[in-house]
Amino acid sequence: GENVEQHPSTLSVQEGDSAVIKCTYSDSASNYFPWYKQELGKRPQLIIDIRSNVGEKKDQRIAVTLNKTAKHFSLHITETQPEDSAVYFCAAGNFGNEKLTFGTGTRLTIIP
Amino acid sequence: NAGVTQTPKFQVLKTGQSMTLQCAQDMNHEYMSWYRQDPGMGLRLIHYSVGAGITDQGEVPNGYNVSRSTTEDFPLRLLSAAPSQTSVYFCASRRQGIQAEAFFGQGTRLTVV
Repeated sequence: GENVEQHPSTLSVQEGDSAVIKCTYSDSASNYFPWYKQELGKRPQLIIDIRSNVGEKKDQRIAVTLNKTAKHFSLHITETQPEDSAVYFCAAGNFGNEKLTFGTGTRLTIIP
Repeated sequence: NAGVTQTPKFQVLKTGQSMTLQCAQDMNHEYMSWYRQDPGMGLRLIHYSVGAGITDQGEVPNGYNVSRSTTEDFPLRLLSAAPSQTSVYFCASRRQGIQAEAFFGQGTRLTVV
């Protein structure tokens, strides 16, 4: 089955700086990669996703990049703000399979 | 908009007890799933269902049963609770197709003593 590794487990950045979270996956058949954000005490929510036919996708201050050859993808948050503090989960899945495999999560703390 | 509703929010069980975590969605989603969230281990899939009458196992199914008699409801049953099942449980639903956004319930914090 798919195995998704996520690094780092914790990350602290100064407000206004950029944050990068990296994930690697094992199954070359995976072709869909979403990112979920979970604020403290709340439910996870989708913030951005990317399909394997695209190398990069942006949505305002967040972007995701995908390197299919190396089987890794990353979340980039620019101009970080206090409300970006949360746990972020990457995930990998296959359009022919309904299962999503999640990474272990990264706790991002924005220092004012 | 109710979305995905889980009950209860908190539960304490004694070892060996059984219970059912309830999950209901009002979005007519075909796909529903249960995850457990443990520190340092992310979200792990327990069971999932692609429609009424159809269920399948995820990564960590042992000790749990599910059924899907209606589109709306997907209860998770703990047969004989063990301390290793202490966790936060999330139910999620989405339309068919892995690219569809998963909507999560608010979670159930379960402690087994």
